[in-house]
Amino acid sequence: AQSVTQPDIHITVSEGASLELRCNYSYGATPYLFWYVQSPGQGLQLLLKYFSGDTLVQGIKGFEAEFKRSQSSFNLRKPSVHWSDAAEYFCAVAPGTASKLTFGTGTRLQVTL
Amino acid sequence: GAVVSQHPSRVICKSGTSVKIECRSLDFQATTMFWYRQFPKQSLMLMATSNEGSKATYEQGVEKDKFLINHASLTLSTLTVTSAHPEDSSFYICSARTGATGELFFGEGSRLTVL
Repeated sequence: AQSVTQPDIHITVSEGASLELRCNYSYGATPYLFWYVQSPGQGLQLLLKYFSGDTLVQGIKGFEAEFKRSQSSFNLRKPSVHWSDAAEYFCAVAPGTASKLTFGTGTRLQVTL
Repeated sequence: GAVVSQHPSRVICKSGTSVKIECRSLDFQATTMFWYRQFPKQSLMLMATSNEGSKATYEQGVEKDKFLINHASLTLSTLTVTSAHPEDSSFYICSARTGATGELFFGEGSRLTVL
C-alpha cells in the first residue's frame, strides 16, 4: 500500500522568501503525485500533479514541484511567498489516475509580513 | 474549472438525530465520488467510494450503517450520518471524479457539530 510523509507539521516564512515543503512517498512503482492547498474551512484545490514525463512540474499560483525517484520525494517549491499563500498544504499519492488518493498529514504554512 | 458543491456548509444537530450532506457536481457528470473525513489539524481520511447506481465501498473501520452513502445520479451523492453523536463532529469533504478525464475535484466541505 502507498503512504505519504510530510515531515514538517508547521512552517513559517517571511513574505517574499522562498519556500520548500517536503513530501516523501512509499510505493512500489512510480506513483501519481499531487499537491493540494486548503484554506481554513475550505475544500481542497489542486496545485499541481505529476504523472510522467518532465520531473519538474509547474502548477498554479507560481508553485512548482520536482519528482525525484531516487529520493522518493515530491517537494513543493515557490520562489517568493505571498501572504495569501498561508494555508494547509497536502501531498497525495495514488497508484493510478482513477485510483484512491492517500494524503499526507499536511503542512501548515504561516507567512509573516 | 469544474465545480463540486456541498450543502450544507455548516450544520449543528442534537445527539441522536440524523444529518444529510449533499455533494453535487455542477457542470460535469461524476461517475465516482469519494467521501472524506477530516479531524481538526489532521489529514483527510477516506471514508468510502461511491459509484453511481451501485453500493458504496467503505474503507476499513468505517461503519456503513452509520454513514449511509447514496449515489443516485451522476451529479449527486449524499452522506447521511445516522444517530449522530458528538464524536461524529468533523469536517466532511467530498470529491468527484469526471468520467471524461478522470480528474478529481473537491467540494468546499461540510462542518458537522453534534451537541
